[in-house]
Amino acid sequence: KAGVTQTPRYLIKTRGQQVTLSCSPISGHRSVSWYQQTPGQGLQFLFEYFSETQRNKGNFPGRFSGRQFSNSRSEMNVSTLELGDSALYLCASSLRQGVDEQYFGPGTRLTVT
Amino acid sequence: ILNVEQSPQSLHVQEGDSTNFTCSFPSSNFYALHWYRWETAKSPEALFVMTLNGDEKKKGRISATLNTKEGYSYLYIKGSQPEDSATYLCAFVSSGTYKYIFGTGTRLKVLA
Repeated sequence: KAGVTQTPRYLIKTRGQQVTLSCSPISGHRSVSWYQQTPGQGLQFLFEYFSETQRNKGNFPGRFSGRQFSNSRSEMNVSTLELGDSALYLCASSLRQGVDEQYFGPGTRLTVT
Repeated sequence: ILNVEQSPQSLHVQEGDSTNFTCSFPSSNFYALHWYRWETAKSPEALFVMTLNGDEKKKGRISATLNTKEGYSYLYIKGSQPEDSATYLCAFVSSGTYKYIFGTGTRLKVLA
């Protein structure tokens, strides 16, 4: 079956702009989680959606938001970009949150200049 | 603040050596512990999901154990091969919140 896909793969934005990243989970997976990875940091949990509802949120400012559609596809939005938002953003899907394996997408590399 | 620590941060081993890494996590509010392998230029790949104290899981030459009472898990690689070179991540899932808290990983380099 097709894996998790993320678009775009690479993105360059300037400070103050906003960006929207997209994630299509594995067919049948209803849980989608988003992570941020920066150099020297582990994967930082952003949020998790299940059946169009945000069930969990990490410790990120309100500039980071997301949503999930009825087909389980998810989008993540970052408004008023800052230089520190430059990172690899990964999404992962699973059948259920917590006890099922997560399948990761290839990530979106965001560079903020 | 929940903390997940992995040790060592990195290590180099010779092909054929066996090795192991440690993941330490909070001993309370345990729900699950995940292990992932992350190769350069690829996505993290799930290795194991462990939920019960005393769990032991095995996949080929890789195995893992879990001690939820003392808050640690070990990952073992028997007879390391160059293709095992990767960063190995563990993630603690807390009960109630079901948030994933990742360690910073152990970077393994297997020398041929």
